[in-house]
Amino acid sequence: SQTIHQWPATLVQPVGSPLSLECTVEGTSNPNLYWYRQAAGRGLQLLFYSVGIGQISSEVPQNLSASRPQDRQFILSSKKLLLSDSGFYLCASSAIAGVGTQYFGPGTRLLVL
Amino acid sequence: GDSVTQMEGPVTLSEEAFLTINCTYTATGYPSLFWYVQYPGEGLQLLLKATKADDKGSNKGFEATYRKETTSFHLEKGSVQVSDSAVYFCALSDKNNNDMRFGAGTRLTVKP
Repeated sequence: SQTIHQWPATLVQPVGSPLSLECTVEGTSNPNLYWYRQAAGRGLQLLFYSVGIGQISSEVPQNLSASRPQDRQFILSSKKLLLSDSGFYLCASSAIAGVGTQYFGPGTRLLVL
Repeated sequence: GDSVTQMEGPVTLSEEAFLTINCTYTATGYPSLFWYVQYPGEGLQLLLKATKADDKGSNKGFEATYRKETTSFHLEKGSVQVSDSAVYFCALSDKNNNDMRFGAGTRLTVKP
């Protein structure tokens, strides 16, 4: 099975500062990768997904961006954080687009002050 | 488009009580159905899944049966424990989507 690593685990950043969250995957090749955000007490919102290196699809227009520089690396970034960017960010991996089970990382809790 | 609707929470039960969390779905094709569990401060873990009609997924005493006729995948457990306290997400995936569709989540609290 796949193992998803995320770091940092927790991050406190001031408004207007940059952001970089990293996700790496073990145990599979050519995975489909996903970034979700979970606001406090809310469900999951899909932010980005990627079916291959350099291929990023955005689901929600916002001040965040994603990149996939290597097959099993997925990065979530922002140039200037907003208060509304606070939340729990989850990276997920799936071996098969659409019908495959998604495996999740432990998440990064981001607090923007 | 495809979607999942699950029972709103929070749900509070006493230890050893019977649990049902309802989940219904809308899909144009034949999706796979999942239940995920999220313990406090952690990511989501796959609890069980079913890939075709009448399949029953089971794990750790939890069960859910894929009912095509009622488009449902209700989660059940006969006797809950305090350690089952978590948020439970119903989800579906379909070859027509690039992502998985999640319900809003149901928070379960089990009291001793």
